[in-house]
Amino acid sequence: EVQLVQSGAEVKKPGESLKISCKGSGYSFTSYWIGWVRQMPGKGLEWMGIIYPGDSDTRYSPSFQGQVTISADKSISTAYLQWSSLKASDTAMYYCVRQGGYGGNSFPFDYWGQGTLVTVSS
Amino acid sequence: QSVLTQPPSVSGAPGQRVTISCTGSSSNIGAGYDVHWYQQLPGTAPKLLIYGNSNRPSGVPDRFSGSKSGTSASLAITGLQAEDEADYYCQSYDSSLSEFWVFGGGTKLTVL
Repeated sequence: EVQLVQSGAEVKKPGESLKISCKGSGYSFTSYWIGWVRQMPGKGLEWMGIIYPGDSDTRYSPSFQGQVTISADKSISTAYLQWSSLKASDTAMYYCVRQGGYGGNSFPFDYWGQGTLVTVSS
Repeated sequence: QSVLTQPPSVSGAPGQRVTISCTGSSSNIGAGYDVHWYQQLPGTAPKLLIYGNSNRPSGVPDRFSGSKSGTSASLAITGLQAEDEADYYCQSYDSSLSEFWVFGGGTKLTVL
């Protein structure tokens, strides 16, 4: 069974750093892209970026480029999303997703983690 | 402002049929890229509902169907049930501005 299990909720102060994780299991972790999706309170879904754990090729949405860092450690089948200096506006639910393949031209996110709630408040 | 446009809300009575539209442009849906749909039940993570415009993953009831034409796509739900009350999002690929994957703003379905 494919599973993406994310780290627990975090409460941080503005200016602090943070790294959240997403552990994949039940499939070949190095063969599928892993992405991150933000959902701010009461709002919709926003694609942040994606990484291919096999070679660490990483792409970012222009909206998030320079604001976050996506990485992966294939030895432990885990992807990460990190911030060097959090802002109150980073308060949101963050989901990791697996990009699936189906033979088409626009790959869906076929599995989702349970989400990690990040709260940034002074 | 989302790249893909969805109505903020739709509603229907149990047993009825509802549709949710998703309008894009020539750099995403109109360029021929497939559309996917996600269902987000209250307090849970989104779940893939329709992929490749009209395909259902295993376990998704055939009451849910998708279609695509030109620069738009639609999700149809027939035989509406109370448990269908959720937020629905469309998604596609976009070839401009390096945005890659884009979502609609989401549609809240209320079962009356």
